[in-house]
Amino acid sequence: EAQVTQNPRYLITVTGKKLTVTCSQNMNHEYMSWYRQDPGLGLRQIYYSMNVEVTDKGDVPEGYKVSRKEKRNFPLILESPSPNQTSLYFCATSDDRGEQYFGPGTRLTVL
Amino acid sequence: QKEVEQNSGPLSVPEGAIASLNCTYSDRGSQSFFWYRQYSGKSPELIMSIYSNGDKEDGRFTAQLNKASQYVSLLIRDSQPSDSATYLCAVPSGYSTLTFGKGTMLLVSP
Repeated sequence: EAQVTQNPRYLITVTGKKLTVTCSQNMNHEYMSWYRQDPGLGLRQIYYSMNVEVTDKGDVPEGYKVSRKEKRNFPLILESPSPNQTSLYFCATSDDRGEQYFGPGTRLTVL
Repeated sequence: QKEVEQNSGPLSVPEGAIASLNCTYSDRGSQSFFWYRQYSGKSPELIMSIYSNGDKEDGRFTAQLNKASQYVSLLIRDSQPSDSATYLCAVPSGYSTLTFGKGTMLLVSP
């Protein structure tokens, strides 16, 4: 079954404690992306990757890092989380037609 | 910055009616358009893609594209309470990058 997985699904943490949200896909897509979704602001792209070792900033990259060492994995790293990063995060992959497929989401709360 | 505009709603329709969701976009060069459905707290799910002017039908869903007017719509026939969700319109804004509208909330009452 084609799928995008994210872990953890829910996370409550404290300001400044480094965390990583993992994303993995089994569709062999080259393109992967991270979004955050906030009430009234919609989906906003954080970072994207067009292939292994190729990443670029989206619309709201501040406070986030990513890496793409393998085609199937695209982790999102928050080195020093702050309360304004409390949000619902989605990983997505894209096929050649630009259709994006989303993971189940990670709800992050930073206290 | 490419823009995608949608009425936030909520759009309320009775069960069995046709729901019409609208989206306008700023980039005249856009070639493909996508509709996603998102239930509360869940991830967006792709329900329709449309690449050329005119209508595209898939079951109870019809996407309509008018590139001259920079307008794309989604019609849901025989609306069901299970169709109650937020519908997101998206257009490409780069290589495999999408810009999303903020979504229209649809409420279908029994």
